[in-house]
Amino acid sequence: AAGVIQSPRHLIKEKRETATLKCYPIPRHDTVYWYQQGPGQDPQFLISFYEKMQSDKGSIPDRFSAQQFSDYHSELNMSSLELGDSALYFCASSADTGYSDPSLFRSYNEQFFGPGTRLTVL
Amino acid sequence: KNEVEQSPQNLTAQEGEFITINCSYSVGISALHWLQQHPGGGIVSLFMLSSGKKKHGRLIATINIQEKHSSLHITASHPRDSAVYICAVPRGDGGATNKLIFGTGTLLAVQP
Repeated sequence: AAGVIQSPRHLIKEKRETATLKCYPIPRHDTVYWYQQGPGQDPQFLISFYEKMQSDKGSIPDRFSAQQFSDYHSELNMSSLELGDSALYFCASSADTGYSDPSLFRSYNEQFFGPGTRLTVL
Repeated sequence: KNEVEQSPQNLTAQEGEFITINCSYSVGISALHWLQQHPGGGIVSLFMLSSGKKKHGRLIATINIQEKHSSLHITASHPRDSAVYICAVPRGDGGATNKLIFGTGTLLAVQP
């Protein structure tokens, strides 16, 4: 079964550089969530999109922006990178509309996670 | 105080043992997630449940909504079960704003 795809899997950047992380949700999932997990920390919610519109915003720095495109993939753009941005960035997708096909997902609203992008800022 | 608390934080077991990880939460929720994360690895959704019990292989999850408590059980534990197990609850007004609030995780090590 198709899973959430994230690219790149690993990224090394210098301070003050820019990075773009991509997330491709499970087909027919309409909601994407971005989470940041610092070393030894719990994941923290950054931002989410539903049907290409921002649906919620968490502790996302102003230096970061994100969007969801017409094909439902999402990109997280990070500028002026700082050492503290080094983390594992997860994307998760869910189906938040009432699809009746149970083969597409186990539970309505259940979030499925991608493998993450490990960002290292030097 | 965290909205989602897990216990224990660390757990070492011998292969074959029955394992229980507990999760308590202080907020009203519609469902609760149990997730698994291997060291340095991605997050895998194990269960999402809103009532009763769910079973998948050697994993069993239960939830008591009234008591705001959930447990994850692993029967006949195996070294490959060694991972961090995370309890997470959605926060939001339902629908598309179900961002997850994560517990601190339980680091499980199963020794052969």
